[in-house]
Amino acid sequence: QQQVKQSPQSLIVQKGGISIINCAYENTAFDYFPWYQQFPGKGPALLIAIRPDVSEKKEGRFTISFNKSAKQFSLHIMDSQPGDSATYFCAASTRGSARQLTFGSGTQLTVLP
Amino acid sequence: ETGVTQSPTHLIKTRGQQVTLRCSSQSGHNTVSWYQQALGQGPQFIFQYYREEENGRGNFPPRFSGLQFPNYSSELNVNALELDDSALYLCASSLDDRGDTEAFFGQGTRLTVV
Repeated sequence: QQQVKQSPQSLIVQKGGISIINCAYENTAFDYFPWYQQFPGKGPALLIAIRPDVSEKKEGRFTISFNKSAKQFSLHIMDSQPGDSATYFCAASTRGSARQLTFGSGTQLTVLP
Repeated sequence: ETGVTQSPTHLIKTRGQQVTLRCSSQSGHNTVSWYQQALGQGPQFIFQYYREEENGRGNFPPRFSGLQFPNYSSELNVNALELDDSALYLCASSLDDRGDTEAFFGQGTRLTVV
């Protein structure tokens, strides 16, 4: 059962543009929503994370927007750079579940120079 | 680098065989989780260990088993390998089991079952 749905599957953006990746979840017990970046041959690395008590969190060029009522959250990458080309995964976990993460299916981002 | 190391990096096994994958957690981390990542998919949670005890399990059959040692290193064992077990296996370590701290992933072990 897929509990976190991610879209789009792939995304091509010009350098300097904004990349937007969306996720929707079903389990209302989720209370931690991280985004991971994965390069080929590497494990996922945490980019940014949010809890449902805030609607937005910004770290540098990366912003998470969170809509609790719609059960949706998104990652915005401002001023996208070729070095941002990677696969991005949204994920979610429940309180007390000790980082037992449920991942989305991933978005392959390509930033053209 | 995350400080989480996995070995081996690549492995080829024959269907029906058994395999053991190893993970060395980041220093001071007492919680380790294992994930299976099929090609083109997101990681799927297999199980988690906290202070040498299993602390949660995903939808994987019993032939997937694990161990965590007193130094918090960990093993994932898979018996009776099937072709569908071919995947990248990731371990992630974190500081505690309350879910308050970041999980750091290793680079993974690429398992191919032929």
